[in-house]
Amino acid sequence: KNQVEQSPQSLIILEGKNCTLQCNYTVSPFSNLRWYKQDTGRGPVSLTIMTFSENTKSNGRYTATLDADTKQSSLHITASQLSDSASYICVVQGGYNKLIFGAGTRLAVHP
Amino acid sequence: DGGITQSPKYLFRKEGQNVTLSCEQNLNHDAMYWYRQDPGQGLRLIYYSQIVNDFQKGDIAEGYSVSREKKESFPLTVTSAQKNPTAFYLCASSTQGASNTEAFFGQGTRLTVV
Repeated sequence: KNQVEQSPQSLIILEGKNCTLQCNYTVSPFSNLRWYKQDTGRGPVSLTIMTFSENTKSNGRYTATLDADTKQSSLHITASQLSDSASYICVVQGGYNKLIFGAGTRLAVHP
Repeated sequence: DGGITQSPKYLFRKEGQNVTLSCEQNLNHDAMYWYRQDPGQGLRLIYYSQIVNDFQKGDIAEGYSVSREKKESFPLTVTSAQKNPTAFYLCASSTQGASNTEAFFGQGTRLTVV
């Protein structure tokens, strides 16, 4: 069964600290993996898209990694800011261009 | 401004009523999608359309209907047959064809049954 699992479910960190969010998937065939940021009550906004051949991709303070062999991805946030408080969703695109969504990690950054 | 617009932001429905959620995009995208988001769950696909006058059921289409008469518009009707319609609904669009195309989301409509 095609699944995307994220951990932790929620996370609290202090402003300025780094954190890493995890994503494991069992989607096959695999086309690409995406990370989205979703503010409460808003639509998701894309952070990165990685294909099979890409191991790492950065977008400002966000760095995503992909290990296609172990089917794992991580999103690392550096020097967190209060505005980073949001849900982070891992999405895998599989066959027929279908998007499989993880349930998300809810991050709270406290001052 | 180019983008994808959903309306209304909040919607209240009485039991037994049909309601229609609006989704409009001016990105010239061929493909449009409707997702449902419930707390603690990933987005689930309701319907999608890859071209005007054509649409396909997603994973949870029961109790919903759509139309795609124009490229820019993909309204979703939540019918009285949908037993648990209270949720956050997201519309998205993307270009057709290449698998690595970006999907853009609207700001969502929160539907509550009263």
